[in-house]
Amino acid sequence: GAGVSQSPSNKVTEKGKDVELRCDPISGHTALYWYRQSLGQGLEFLIYFQGNSAPDKSGLPSDRFSAERTGGSVSTLTIQRTQQEDSAVYLCASSFAPGDEQFFGPGTRLTVL
Amino acid sequence: AQRVTQPEKLLSVFKGAPVELKCNYSYSGSPELFWYVQYSRQRLQLLLRHISRESIKGFTADLNKGETSFHLKKPFAQEEDSAMYYCALSRMGGSYIPTFGRGTSLIVHP
Repeated sequence: GAGVSQSPSNKVTEKGKDVELRCDPISGHTALYWYRQSLGQGLEFLIYFQGNSAPDKSGLPSDRFSAERTGGSVSTLTIQRTQQEDSAVYLCASSFAPGDEQFFGPGTRLTVL
Repeated sequence: AQRVTQPEKLLSVFKGAPVELKCNYSYSGSPELFWYVQYSRQRLQLLLRHISRESIKGFTADLNKGETSFHLKKPFAQEEDSAMYYCALSRMGGSYIPTFGRGTSLIVHP
């Protein structure tokens, strides 16, 4: 089947607007991760979902960021009142089980003007 | 807390030269270590993981628990190896949130 998909591939928004980023993991993968990739900053962990357990939100940079995963599959990352420093590539990854190889999506490039 | 350090942001070599991308980690338990690679305009993908002890595209990496290192090596670099390389640490048991290094950009000149 297909790999991890993300939409949109690019998003340009104005400062102060809300955005939603979507991730479709590989079917059957129980673990789902969101990362932020900024130039020179590497991969910054944001949030982790595992099965039906409560997500680990320890990486979310502020309360403007939230994420949900419906039915153990699709996930949405929401950024409220976007700021220019939110501009980055947002990556989603899934793995069959915790700690396994992660399969990454192509990312969503977010630009906040 | 677990930490992954990739001391070089950029590594530049000529084709045919040996290459070593350094990765050091700090973790008190049993680590699971990975190297991921991102070629230009492609998604991030797994290159190799220490438990499989494979050689992928001529690259190898040995876990040295004494030195807490997992350096990535290739004896003869090729131009197509030019990419961004990330070392990652996962934890066997307990929390599975992986920690990534900041990445090393490898440029192989012709």
